[in-house]
Amino acid sequence: QVLLQQSGPGLVKPSQTLSLTCAISGDSVSRDSGTWNWIRQSPSRGLEWLGRTYLRSQWYDDYAPSLKGRISIKPDTATNRLSLQLSSVTPADTGVYYCVRWPGSSLDGFDIWGPGTVVTVSS
Amino acid sequence: EIVLTQSPATLSLSPGESATLSCRASQSVGRSLAWYQQKPGQAPRLLIYGASKRVTGIPARFSGSGSGTDFTLTISSLEPEDFAVYFCQQRTNWLFTFGPGTRVDV
Repeated sequence: QVLLQQSGPGLVKPSQTLSLTCAISGDSVSRDSGTWNWIRQSPSRGLEWLGRTYLRSQWYDDYAPSLKGRISIKPDTATNRLSLQLSSVTPADTGVYYCVRWPGSSLDGFDIWGPGTVVTVSS
Repeated sequence: EIVLTQSPATLSLSPGESATLSCRASQSVGRSLAWYQQKPGQAPRLLIYGASKRVTGIPARFSGSGSGTDFTLTISSLEPEDFAVYFCQQRTNWLFTFGPGTRVDV
């Protein structure tokens, strides 16, 4: 059974960096198919895909164009974790952040979701 | 960016009735369309992918259809646990977008 356990602060001050971690059990961050993603949800923006990382012959990442320059998603192969960093946050970055698996192969959807971390950006 | 529009915003039905939810894309996404169910306080759950393929373990009363720009999720006979919000999601190349959701309530 694949489980994703998320951790990180629930309150971040404006202009600071939001940092979240996702611990993966039952699967590997280094899987050679599919991708590991971060998705957030807020009343104003709905569900918004933020970015992904994946391993093929090397590590790759892709990010939502609206966030490029502020976001970084990194794997930690030693601890089998995934991290998200979002810099220069504003109140518009408030929402629930999910760590999510896209298994690839023949299953074209986000099949495993973490429980979500509620993040509020406020001074 | 491909925009997904869902209708109706809210569907008020009773258990046993059937539900028909629509998702329209601003341009063709082929069959790269998935449906999710979300209940309060929970993460979304994948129901359908590839427009019509049901995830293992999802009841047969859930079915998806469509291609190109117009897609439908049908719930043939609503069970009490089906009252929730449903989202569609598309993938084109490596970019993903979600629809705003349809709430199915009693």
